[in-house]
Amino acid sequence: AQSVTQLDSQVPVFEEAPVELRCNYSSSVSVYLFWYVQYPNQGLQLLLKYLSGSTLVESINGFEAEFNKSQTSFHLRKPSVHISDTAEYFCAVSWNDYKLSFGAGTTVTVRA
Amino acid sequence: DGGITQSPKYLFRKEGQNVTLSCEQNLNHDAMYWYRQDPGQGLRLIYYSQIVNDFQKGDIAEGYSVSREKKESFPLTVTSAQKNPTAFYLCASSIGTFNGGTDTQYFGPGTRLTVL
Repeated sequence: AQSVTQLDSQVPVFEEAPVELRCNYSSSVSVYLFWYVQYPNQGLQLLLKYLSGSTLVESINGFEAEFNKSQTSFHLRKPSVHISDTAEYFCAVSWNDYKLSFGAGTTVTVRA
Repeated sequence: DGGITQSPKYLFRKEGQNVTLSCEQNLNHDAMYWYRQDPGQGLRLIYYSQIVNDFQKGDIAEGYSVSREKKESFPLTVTSAQKNPTAFYLCASSIGTFNGGTDTQYFGPGTRLTVL
């Protein structure tokens, strides 16, 4: 069965420090990759996605993720976090159909 | 404003009752989805619909039912057969291209269902 694994359930980090959220998936055959963010008691918002082309994708608020086909990974990074980045982050994978498979989520808590 | 609305925001149900969660979108999207979110488990797909009058079961459809009579509406009924219905329910929609895998899904604010 296809699966998505987020290796860290909780990531505490100090303001202005870098953060990396790890995501691995079970198969590299024709995948599309997404990172979503969820603020408390809200729905999910798309952060960034990889469909094809350059393996490094960026969001407008400073996050970036790199598609690594050989390691079947799509890790999310930000070089300097803000208090407002406190949220839960979900990695999601589509194996070339309508259905998205989500990881269990990583809660990022940014402390001053 | 274009977007997805879900109602109610909070819902309380007694055991043995059916309840219906509303999801409406004005994005003119063809595809709609229902997910269930439990702490530490991410999102799990309940049902999805690629077009009006058609829908497919997701990974955890047992105890749930849906209808898709209008493009903008995709209500979810949680039946008494669902053994553990307390959860956060999220509705989403996407444009519905031929290759649905590339589509961004847009999410509503969610409904928190609690069984008393």
